[in-house]
Formats: sequence, structure tokens, C-alpha cells
Amino acid sequence: NAGVTQTPKFQVLKTGQSMTLQCAQDMNHNSMYWYRQDPGMGLRLIYYSASEGTTDKGEVPNGYNVSRLNKREFSLRLESAAPSQTSVYFCASSDDNEKLFFGSGTQLSVL
Amino acid sequence: QKEVEQDPGPLSVPEGAIVSLNCTYSNSAFQYFMWYRQYSRKGPELLMYTYSSGNKEDGRFTAQVDKSSKYISLFIRDSQPSDSATYLCAMSPTSNTGKLIFGQGTTLQVKP
Repeated sequence: NAGVTQTPKFQVLKTGQSMTLQCAQDMNHNSMYWYRQDPGMGLRLIYYSASEGTTDKGEVPNGYNVSRLNKREFSLRLESAAPSQTSVYFCASSDDNEKLFFGSGTQLSVL
Repeated sequence: QKEVEQDPGPLSVPEGAIVSLNCTYSNSAFQYFMWYRQYSRKGPELLMYTYSSGNKEDGRFTAQVDKSSKYISLFIRDSQPSDSATYLCAMSPTSNTGKLIFGQGTTLQVKP
């Protein structure tokens, strides 16, 4: 019963470096999401994918790109990391309703 | 001003107390209201889901929505130390989007 799996769990980057956060779900959900969580800000939607082959911007998409590789996998890429992208990143999936299933998060620090 | 406001706490109560957690919002278009629970270093998990105004009860948890006041509440009866977590309200104007607007979360500690 894996649910939503995110890798890596922790990452430290230097400003300007790039990296990809991986997410996979085994619940056969159509929709997948990337959120970031910052102190005092709650969870904010970065990008989402309503179905395989489609992606759309959320509330805070600048500095990020995504790829919906197939129905199971949805990756988030930081092309040139900035200190403002220090955050905890959560991937989620849903069966087309408000019941989101979240992964356990990736804690990212950009120095 | 944020669309959804939630007092971050922390809120500390003795075991067995009734806990009241609240959110206010400004967007009258919100129709779907949720409460998520998040344990430390874990992802949020859905606790309660309500559509429009009214109450919903599930065990020790009751969710209440007052759209006229733009105010939602989560009540926890007979609180337990295992209820210690951060509680996030979330809302959406339409269904089937997953594009939720979250409050910042209230941290609750239930002391034995």
C-alpha cells in the first residue's frame, strides 16, 4: 500500500543548481498535484495535471516546470534554484474530487 | 489579505477537552470545505469534507460551515494525545479540481 511516493526526502542545493523531484502514485488516479508548504503560508499549489498529457499552472508556478510522464508519475523540476524555493514540497493525487492523497514530502534547502 | 485565514496557534489543551478550530474566508464562491490533519514530517490527510452550509459528524469530529458568516469550524470531542497535529482547513469554489485554497494550519497539542 505505497500510495503516493516522493523522492528524495531531503535535498540541499546551491543557488543556480537544478534538480527534479519525483512523484509516483499507485492508486490509478487521474489527477496529480505539486504543492509547496512554507511557514505562515499554508499549502500553495504550484502545478497540477488533471489527466495524463495535460498540465496547468497553479498559484505559484514561477521557477518551476512539470512533466506528467504517464498516469503514475508527475515530476517537478527546478531549472535554476533560488533561496526563495527553500520549502517543503508535497505531491498529491486524487480521483477527481477534493480528497487529495499526499506523499510524505521533500524538504528542500537552497543555499 | 489572504483568502483563507486560520490562527496558527499553537493551541494546548488537556486530554479529554473539547477543541474548536476555526477558519474564516473572504471568497463567497467557495462551496466545498475540508479539514486535513498533518502529523509532524508527514503529508496532510483528509479528515472531513463538507459541501455548502451545515454540520457533518464523524466519530469525535464535527465539521461546521456557516456560509453567511464565511466561517468554518472543526470540533474535536474527548481530545486525545494522538490528536496532536496541525489542522489545515481547505476550500474550493468547484468540485473535481483539487485546486484547493488552504489555511496556514493550526498546531494542536493535547497533553495527557
